[in-house]
This record gives sequence, structure tokens and C-alpha cells, in this order.
Amino acid sequence: EADIYQTPRYLVIGTGKKITLECSQTMGHDKMYWYQQDPGMELHLIHYSYGVNSTEKGDLSSESTVSRIRTEHFPLTLESARPSHTSQYLCASSGRQGHTEAFFGQGTRLTVV
Amino acid sequence: AQKVTQAQTEISVVEKEDVTLDCVYETRDTTYYLFWYKQPPSGELVFLIRRNSFDEQNEISGRYSWNFQKSTSSFNFTITASQVVDSAVYFCALSEGFFLGGGADGLTFGKGTHLIIQP
Repeated sequence: EADIYQTPRYLVIGTGKKITLECSQTMGHDKMYWYQQDPGMELHLIHYSYGVNSTEKGDLSSESTVSRIRTEHFPLTLESARPSHTSQYLCASSGRQGHTEAFFGQGTRLTVV
Repeated sequence: AQKVTQAQTEISVVEKEDVTLDCVYETRDTTYYLFWYKQPPSGELVFLIRRNSFDEQNEISGRYSWNFQKSTSSFNFTITASQVVDSAVYFCALSEGFFLGGGADGLTFGKGTHLIIQP
């Protein structure tokens, strides 16, 4: 069973607010990812990390930022939330050896009003 | 660039029917990995299977089976004797590149197929 956790599960926030979505895993995985899932279900990679102090932007441009100070923690921050940021955000992690499967958290559904 | 196409947006069948979810992929790499994930209403993605590009053997796991054909760039998923609990969105995904200190190896997902199993 996957040990990757996201908080909060649901968040409704006003425009202009700063928010941080938390993601933690207890599997010791080096690689972590953030995906954005739009209402049409499609998933897009927005950030990834190969390990501590490593962060890269994914295929979909995002105004969010990430940090990786500890192996187990990969938070995503929006400095000034906008309605266009309304989406489901999914965090994932995977092990070092080749292309092992990624384990996903339950997601954070963000609504910006 | 890599791409995954799931042409079936939604499929609805009656319980106990067999159903096949199609997945077609595009990649320039000779080494890549294909995945299927299930997303139930609770929201998390549940890993179902991983297949590397050198292994074309079909796989069966209980009521689930997967047909990988490199000649047609397809990785189809069949559920036999479907059950209501199989209702979910199913994603096919592709990963290319290696973790050798560089290169993106995040997953490229298809748009998903919403499977509805009616009692």
C-alpha cells in the first residue's frame, strides 16, 4: 500500500491568497512529482524532483513553485492564487531503480473564488 | 515527443460483460515503459500494471488482462466479467528516458476512459 499523503484534501480560497499544498511520502523515494488534473480528467506534469535540492518544471507551464529540502517532503506553493488555478493537484513518488511505478496521493482539490 | 491516446472517452456496459479499453502511444525512444492506472471516485490513482518496451508478453491478473503490441503501438486493457466496483476512470501512461541524473521521466498520461459498469 502506498504511503504518500497530501493535505489538505479540499481547499477553497480567495483570489490573491498564498497557499501551500503539502505532500509527504514515507517510502524513501528519491523521485517526486506534481501533476495537475483538469476537469476534463487529463493529467499534466507540472513539477518533478530527482532528490533533495533538485526541482524541475514539467511539461505544463505552471505559476506554482516547489521545493525539496527533505527527501520525504515536496510542497507546492502558489504565491497569489487565481481562479485559473482551480484544479485537482496530485502528488506522486517513485523509486530510484529505472521506471518503477509511481505511487500517487489522494490529491488536493483546489477551488479559487 | 511522447503522446498517449485513449480514444474512448466513456464506456458503459452491463455488469458481467467483458470490456476492452484502448491505448495507443507514440514515442521516438526504443526503451520506454507503459502503465495503466485506475482512478476511483475517491481521487487517488491506483497502479495496475507496468510493461517495458522489450517485454511484449501479454499479462493476465485475475479478471484483468493486457495486450501489448509494438507493431501497432497499442497497450490495450481488458476486464473480463466486469463488476460494478470496476467503475472508475482508467488512464494509460507512458514514460521514456532514464534516471541517470537527468532527463524527464515523469509520466505522460492519456486523457482517460471513464468506465461505467451498470448493475
